[in-house]
Amino acid sequence: AQSVTQLDSQVPVFEEAPVELRCNYSSSVSVYLFWYVQYPNQGLQLLLKYLSGSTLVESINGFEAEFNKSQTSFHLRKPSVHISDTAEYFCAVMDTGRRALTFGSGTRLQVQP
Amino acid sequence: GAGVSQSPSNKVTEKGKDVELRCDPISGHTALYWYRQSLGQGLEFLIYFQGNSAPDKSGLPSDRFSAERTGGSVSTLTIQRTQQEDSAVYLCASRPDSYEQYFGPGTRLTVT
Repeated sequence: AQSVTQLDSQVPVFEEAPVELRCNYSSSVSVYLFWYVQYPNQGLQLLLKYLSGSTLVESINGFEAEFNKSQTSFHLRKPSVHISDTAEYFCAVMDTGRRALTFGSGTRLQVQP
Repeated sequence: GAGVSQSPSNKVTEKGKDVELRCDPISGHTALYWYRQSLGQGLEFLIYFQGNSAPDKSGLPSDRFSAERTGGSVSTLTIQRTQQEDSAVYLCASRPDSYEQYFGPGTRLTVT
């Protein structure tokens, strides 16, 4: 069975400060890892994914995540956040069979001016 | 192009009534998923359809829940004899022959 742990339910941060949202997973097989973002009153959008290859993956809006197999982590980082980054962020692991997603409980990022 | 659409966007129903939630996936996507997002349980997988294969129903919480996918396209999630704990946002996602799932806006179900 797979599981995902997001230890921080809320992360308040000031605009232009760096942020890290933590994600740890457990799986007995090879994993595919994802970060999804949910802006207020909107659906889930894919932010970035790790399937294979380089362990550092980046999104188009400045987020990056690093797959660390030894620590079973896939933390999300951004060096300088904007007000518009305020949203809920979900880490997810995908099983290789049916390719269904198992989500973490989510982290609410609150960017303050 | 058009994304995944779901209807209705909001549904309020009385306890004990049946409800049907609809999902229109992206054209050409072979896989379709239903998830549920609730305060107590977070985001949970419910059911998975792949082409013409039998659906994977392993995530359905009770036999009051069922789903079908007609013609490999539109899907309907049916909840019979709704209970208050069924209140949640029901999300549909579709996937082409790759790893990325595209989510719809969801249906917010409130059982009173």
